[in-house]
Amino acid sequence: EPEVTQTPSHQVTQMGQEVILRCVPISNHLYFYWYRQILGQKVEFLVSFYNNEISEKSEIFDDQFSVERPDGSNFTLKIRSTKLEDSAMYFCASSGRGRDWTEQFFGPGTRLTVL
Amino acid sequence: AQKITQTQPGMFVQEKEAVTLDCTYDTSDPSYGLFWYKQPSSGEMIFLIYQGSYDQQNATEGRYSLNFQKARKSANLVISASQLGDSAMYFCAMREGGTGGFKTIFGAGTRLFVKA
Repeated sequence: EPEVTQTPSHQVTQMGQEVILRCVPISNHLYFYWYRQILGQKVEFLVSFYNNEISEKSEIFDDQFSVERPDGSNFTLKIRSTKLEDSAMYFCASSGRGRDWTEQFFGPGTRLTVL
Repeated sequence: AQKITQTQPGMFVQEKEAVTLDCTYDTSDPSYGLFWYKQPSSGEMIFLIYQGSYDQQNATEGRYSLNFQKARKSANLVISASQLGDSAMYFCAMREGGTGGFKTIFGAGTRLFVKA
């Protein structure tokens, strides 16, 4: 069964460093998303991406965040200068077209720890 | 403004009994979708069930059913015949817009404990 994959599973970084979180969505999906979940809290939408551009973003997704689909398979989230409060689980998700857009398939997540 | 409300931070249910997890939502968009996800202690997000705003019938998926009451703006999840493996966090979520690819808002979640 096709699945969304994410790497790394756990990333530890120093405050102020740049990190890139990687995702491989399901191959025939068209919509891609990033979410984050601070420990013990609810899942928060960051950004959605379609047709090689951002279709919607939340107020959390400020200038320190960027997304890219560099090669038609990977979907990346870059955080330019990490802060302590960026520590969270980051989930990538993808969905298909038509009725298939209703279900977002989530990856297993990347746990980001900023020290 | 908060758009998804889950008022039960924690729920207990006896194994093999049914349980209802509450969810209310707020939107002015006539086209929207409602979702339930399960998050076990391992952390992954598992899609359970979807209800579209124009769907006439309540969605069902195996032991899961969604009690959709549009006028009340509620989308409660009913789990029948609870199993120990159902112990997890459950999130209600909503997506506005009819063509897909839009923001999905999650509720705060309900932690379900299934007792043997």
